[in-house]
Amino acid sequence: QLQLQESGPGLVKPSETLSLTCTVSGGSISSNNYYWGWIRQPPGKGLEWIGSIYYSGSTYYNPSLKSRVTISVDTSKNQFSLKLSSVTAADTAVYYCVRHSVNTNWFDPWGQGTLVTVSS
Amino acid sequence: QSVLTQPPSASGTPGQRVTISCSGSSSNIGSNTVNWYQQLPGTAPKLLIYSNNQRPSGVPDRFSGSKSGTSASLAISGLRSEDEADYYCAAWDDSLNGVVFGGGTKLTVL
Repeated sequence: QLQLQESGPGLVKPSETLSLTCTVSGGSISSNNYYWGWIRQPPGKGLEWIGSIYYSGSTYYNPSLKSRVTISVDTSKNQFSLKLSSVTAADTAVYYCVRHSVNTNWFDPWGQGTLVTVSS
Repeated sequence: QSVLTQPPSASGTPGQRVTISCSGSSSNIGSNTVNWYQQLPGTAPKLLIYSNNQRPSGVPDRFSGSKSGTSASLAISGLRSEDEADYYCAAWDDSLNGVVFGGGTKLTVL
């Protein structure tokens, strides 16, 4: 059974870079049929797709975040990572990592999510 | 302001049928498939319907999805108390070159 688990600091200072890693278990990240993505949810608000990466390294980013986002993949560790630079309080959210199907663009499964708070 | 438009709330009594709408445009719902997610309180979202009307293994057939033009709908029949959750629609947007979500609909079972 495929499982995803987010890890990283729960508190980031304003203007710094948020860094999270997602570890995939129960399956290979090097699949032709899937991207691997990040989605966030500010407290009490809706879902926002951040971006996704293919195992080869090709990426898609949300245009509204593109200038601050970098997603990378490490196939040797079966992990992919998110970096979001110049964070502000508006970036405070639960961050989820997901498997993202190519062509039909559904997300399943989801990691449990990790709350990242931006505060000094 | 979300790219896809959903009603913020919906409600029904046990046993009733409720529908949740999701309105988009030609660049998203009009040209791509729609997926629906259920988020129970305090948990991560879960894929509920994919490719407009397909149910993943384990999702009861009380849940169904449909799409027409630039709109989609999620229907829940035989409403149960455990269906109380937030529901989100999503689709690829060709103009934005990314996935867009609806703002979510909070379903209350009265």
